[in-house]
Amino acid sequence: GDSVTQMEGPVTLSEEAFLTINCTYTATGYPSLFWYVQYPGEGLQLLLKATKADDKGSNKGFEATYRKETTSFHLEKGSVQVSDSAVYFCVLAGGTSYGKLTFGQGTILTVHP
Amino acid sequence: AAGVIQSPRHLIKEKRETATLKCYPIPRHDTVYWYQQGPGQDPQFLISFYEKMQSDKGSIPDRFSAQQFSDYHSELNMSSLELGDSALYFCASSPTERGDRETQYFGPGTRLLVL
Repeated sequence: GDSVTQMEGPVTLSEEAFLTINCTYTATGYPSLFWYVQYPGEGLQLLLKATKADDKGSNKGFEATYRKETTSFHLEKGSVQVSDSAVYFCVLAGGTSYGKLTFGQGTILTVHP
Repeated sequence: AAGVIQSPRHLIKEKRETATLKCYPIPRHDTVYWYQQGPGQDPQFLISFYEKMQSDKGSIPDRFSAQQFSDYHSELNMSSLELGDSALYFCASSPTERGDRETQYFGPGTRLLVL
């Protein structure tokens, strides 16, 4: 079946540091890939998405490129802010599980001033 | 922009009681999904509906049932509640438009506490 593996957290950074959260996936077919963010006490917000190989999703300074050859969708941001502190989920849709999303385990990011 | 609405936002129940969670999808979204998120865990898919018909089923206990109504809102009914049902329950909806059907937009969640 489909699966998503994220780098283990928590990740702790200082403000303005560079962020990378690694994500790899296993799926058949042509899945779409997403990053969702969950701020403390809140619901899941769509951060960015990519629907085919070599697509780059971007939003609020975050970027991720759909790499089919390495089955990866790493999240990056050049300069993090305290307000970016949240849990980040790498998510897959399609593949063998059409309709339902397959979540990674989530990575807790804490940014200190 | 309109978002997914869930009610109630918080719910406290006793063991063996019943609970009903409601979800109102974004206008013109015809598919609704339900997820359960335990503390410190990733969301687990429960069930989904497309055009008022059940379209997929995940790890939903037999004590739970759900349906989608003619106005596309959905209700998750939970009976014989157990302590382990305490969790955050998310509803998500996805649009009808081709090319975006796989994108799910989440509501704020209902936090259920079973005592």
